[in-house]
Amino acid sequence: GENVEQHPSTLSVQEGDSAVIKCTYSDSASNYFPWYKQELGKRPQLIIDIRSNVGEKKDQRIAVTLNKTAKHFSLHITETQPEDSAVYFCAASPYGQNFVFGPGTRLSVLP
Amino acid sequence: DVKVTQSSRYLVKRTGEKVFLECVQDMDHENMFWYRQDPGLGLRLIYFSYDVKMKEKGDIPEGYSVSREKKERFSLILESASTNQTSMYLCASSPASSGGYTFGSGTRLTVV
Repeated sequence: GENVEQHPSTLSVQEGDSAVIKCTYSDSASNYFPWYKQELGKRPQLIIDIRSNVGEKKDQRIAVTLNKTAKHFSLHITETQPEDSAVYFCAASPYGQNFVFGPGTRLSVLP
Repeated sequence: DVKVTQSSRYLVKRTGEKVFLECVQDMDHENMFWYRQDPGLGLRLIYFSYDVKMKEKGDIPEGYSVSREKKERFSLILESASTNQTSMYLCASSPASSGGYTFGSGTRLTVV
């Protein structure tokens, strides 16, 4: 089955700097890769996703890149702000349905 | 604007009790999921359902069962609660056509 690894497990950046979180997956059949943000005490919320027919997708300060050959995808957050502090989860979906989640990255944006 | 509702935010139960966790969604989604979230382990799939009265085991189904009698409701049942089932339980739903999940707010269950 699918296995998703995520690095780093914790990440601290200065406000205004960029943050990058990387995930790798094992199943070449995976074709959908969402990213979720979970603020303290709240539910995970979808922030961006990418499908395997696209190499990069941007939405304002966040972007996701996908390298199908290497089976990895990354979340990029530019000009980080304190409200970006949260736990971020990546996921991979072999058939567009059951997600396999990474273990999460705790991002802290320091003022 | 809550679309996936979990009946309890916090629960404390005793070892051996039968526990019901309820999840209701109002988006007419076909797919519903139960995950548990533990520090360092991320989100692990317990059970899922793609249709009414249909259920499939996820990665960690032992000690759990589910019920989906209506499209909008997916219940997680702990037949005999144990302390190792103390966790945050998250329900999610998604449309059949694939796409991102919508999560509920979670139920933090403590088994004493």
